[in-house]
Amino acid sequence: KNQVEQSPQSLIILEGKNCTLQCNYTVSPFSNLRWYKQDTGRGPVSLTIMTFSENTKSNGRYTATLDADTKQSSLHITASQLSDSASYICVVSAGGFQKLVFGTGTRLLVSP
Amino acid sequence: DADVTQTPRNRITKTGKRIMLECSQTKGHDRMYWYRQDPGLGLRLIYYSFDVKDINKGEISDGYSVSRQAQAKFSLSLESAIPNQTALYFCATSDAAGQGHYQPQHFGDGTRLSIL
Repeated sequence: KNQVEQSPQSLIILEGKNCTLQCNYTVSPFSNLRWYKQDTGRGPVSLTIMTFSENTKSNGRYTATLDADTKQSSLHITASQLSDSASYICVVSAGGFQKLVFGTGTRLLVSP
Repeated sequence: DADVTQTPRNRITKTGKRIMLECSQTKGHDRMYWYRQDPGLGLRLIYYSFDVKDINKGEISDGYSVSRQAQAKFSLSLESAIPNQTALYFCATSDAAGQGHYQPQHFGDGTRLSIL
């Protein structure tokens, strides 16, 4: 069964600190892996999309890594800001938008 | 103005009622999607449409129907609402350009639906 598991479920960090969110997947075949940010009361917003051949991708203070061999991805947030407080969702594609498998997300709270 | 607009943002209704959720977009994308989000679960695909004449069932289409009225409009209907359809519903779009399945999806801000 295709699954995407994220850890931790929730995380609290102090403003200015770095953090890393984890995503493990058992999706086959693999097409691409996406990270989305979802603010409370809003829809998800795309952060990065990585294909099989990409092992790192950055979007400002957000850096995603992908290890297709171990089927793991991480999202690293540098110098966190209060506005980073949100849920972060890992999504793996098995070959098309009808085959996206969504994780349940990591809820991040950045505290002043 | 938002690129993907969902109406209403909140709706409370009773079991057995017919409900329509609407989605409109100004991004000019051909592809549109409806998802539901439940606590503790990832988003699940209800229906998707790759152009005006193309409608496809997703993972959890039972109890739902859709209409693609135009490129910019995609509505979701619950024919006879039941309490376990209480959820947060999202509409999304994506561009088909290039290798379309590598394009990001653009989501609306959701409709919170409660069925009593």
